[in-house]
Amino acid sequence: GAGVSQSPRYKVAKRGQDVALRCDPISGHVSLFWYQQALGQGPEFLTYFQNEAQLDKSGLPSDRFFAERPEGSVSTLKIQRTQQEDSAVYLCASSLGAHFMDSNQPQHFGDGTRLSIL
Amino acid sequence: RKEVEQDPGPFNVPEGATVAFNCTYSNSASQSFFWYRQDCRKEPKLLMSVYSSGNEDGRFTAQLNRASQYISLLIRDSKLSDSATYLCVVNGGGSYIPTFGRGTSLIVHP
Repeated sequence: GAGVSQSPRYKVAKRGQDVALRCDPISGHVSLFWYQQALGQGPEFLTYFQNEAQLDKSGLPSDRFFAERPEGSVSTLKIQRTQQEDSAVYLCASSLGAHFMDSNQPQHFGDGTRLSIL
Repeated sequence: RKEVEQDPGPFNVPEGATVAFNCTYSNSASQSFFWYRQDCRKEPKLLMSVYSSGNEDGRFTAQLNRASQYISLLIRDSKLSDSATYLCVVNGGGSYIPTFGRGTSLIVHP
């Protein structure tokens, strides 16, 4: 597709369940970011991939959060043993080049996955 | 103190008004600056990059003040459709991680 695609759009899970969120970036985009956005706040950085390499995961809130991008295209964010505080919108963004070499490039966001933990 | 700060608003203005938002950043080595627009329950979309010399795109003007470490967004002749949250983003300065402000809410009323 032309834009960044995320699925599912909405996810409801019970506390303690594992969830997996998918991001399909714009074709050919090298950089991929995951963000968490709470209501009324800006997106908070979670992790960054350059192609298949996860160069930064400093924003992941706990070891229950895991992300991968095995072939340098589609990425999955997995949350294990979900907690209520994990409820948020999870945004994926991609950009054309390697972000650490050129930070002066805009990101293209997907619609996000709205995660609710009951 | 947060790295990027914005007044959350809301800024409530009538159609046709001129409105301006500021965004301050703490890392003096920051290199790249952007304004994004986010509609309710939608994803952020790039509005404009902010260049050192300032730049204009139609009714929108962005400015960078490095000495005081802030960027600004000016919207002239506000339209109802300008109602949204405006996020500032700061990149670089020893980190390539984009840092977002919490956003400023704008409501344009008839």
